[in-house]
Amino acid sequence: ILNVEQSPQSLHVQEGDSTNFTCSFPSSNFYALHWYRWETAKSPEALFVMTLNGDEKKKGRISATLNTKEGYSYLYIKGSQPEDSATYLCAAYNFNKFYFGSGTKLNVKP
Amino acid sequence: ETGVTQSPTHLIKTRGQQVTLRCSSQSGHNTVSWYQQALGQGPQFIFQYYREEENGRGNFPPRFSGLQFPNYSSELNVNALELDDSALYLCASSLLTGQGYNEQFFGPGTRLTVL
Repeated sequence: ILNVEQSPQSLHVQEGDSTNFTCSFPSSNFYALHWYRWETAKSPEALFVMTLNGDEKKKGRISATLNTKEGYSYLYIKGSQPEDSATYLCAAYNFNKFYFGSGTKLNVKP
Repeated sequence: ETGVTQSPTHLIKTRGQQVTLRCSSQSGHNTVSWYQQALGQGPQFIFQYYREEENGRGNFPPRFSGLQFPNYSSELNVNALELDDSALYLCASSLLTGQGYNEQFFGPGTRLTVL
């Protein structure tokens, strides 16, 4: 079993603030790291899949980095908007199994 | 919308019964994964099917079993239901290629309540 941890558990920010969350995972036997956004009453939506140490990916105001040697990934949101309110999940993948963290719940106040 | 559908949306069963949940993959995808999500937790990986064969399994007992069909749709079967099986069950489809793992597309989930 691979232990994936996310912090913080929840986050409240004002519209326009920039924010970031952390996903930690064991650095050995790593294959890929996935980020998902899960809005209430919807399905989880894939944001990024990263595999290489030093990977950086960007989609609009959201970006992510990956450090496989130390076992962490950061997700950044620039200029948060109320529509960014959701739970952000990361999942590590190896040996044909996915291991999800418990998520960071983001609330962006207008 | 991802194109992944699940049925039923909600289901109520009693302890000891058996249940079958269904998932239709997104067109072109060859892999389906099933997850159990209890309140306040992240999704727990049950198993994954690739081209009709189980390709990986999480820490779930054998009473959780599955099938993948030639059209890549899938079923999750749970026997001898227990109260702790009450959860949201998600399926996700993806395309697994020689280049590695691609993003997963999730269905809306089936909410199972065991009384």
